[in-house]
Amino acid sequence: DSGVTQTPKHLITATGQRVTLRCSPRSGDLSVYWYQQSLDQGLQFLIQYYNGEERAKGNILERFSAQQFPDLHSELNLSSLELGDSALYFCASSPPSGAEQYFGPGTRLTVT
Amino acid sequence: QKEVEQDPGPLSVPEGAIVSLNCTYSNSAFQYFMWYRQYSRKGPELLMYTYSSGNKEDGRFTAQVDKSSKYISLFIRDSQPSDSATYLCAMSSLDQAGTALIFGKGTTLSVSS
Repeated sequence: DSGVTQTPKHLITATGQRVTLRCSPRSGDLSVYWYQQSLDQGLQFLIQYYNGEERAKGNILERFSAQQFPDLHSELNLSSLELGDSALYFCASSPPSGAEQYFGPGTRLTVT
Repeated sequence: QKEVEQDPGPLSVPEGAIVSLNCTYSNSAFQYFMWYRQYSRKGPELLMYTYSSGNKEDGRFTAQVDKSSKYISLFIRDSQPSDSATYLCAMSSLDQAGTALIFGKGTTLSVSS
């Protein structure tokens, strides 16, 4: 158990819908990262928050957004969902003085 | 050219074998190197974390980084069936410490008893 929690474990929804994924980092970690893992693309970085502020953006679509709250949990919002958005979504956190990242168990999103 | 290249395998070995997993990379700014193990559809588990060049050992696992060749390795000694998983290399750059990890696509390992 990495100490990073994610909910829900599974989501099944229809095209055009909107969903919210939630992540709580390890105690003491200030950074939260979101990654998408699909079979053909591997693990792709989406976005990073540090202590409530956006720090870095990767290959995140405009239909996707995220935020980090004062208690440091983070939410990833996915809207106007398409079939191609079906993937595993992972959250990770890292300690203030380190580059290593600890991953949560992931949310499996299926868009039908 | 992809930033990080990793042979996807699959790699099949008998129990007790020594396993060698490798990645090459193109970005000379990478300073932090990690190996993760991922069981099917589960979250990646951090195995080894190395800063800059050199070797690091932890139990049956040894990580090596050769920055001059832009090549990193993970060795697993006395491999066990429970080591069967996908192994992902990951790295990030010094000037962006604390930002995104760039991952290889992973090598699938199967250890037979």
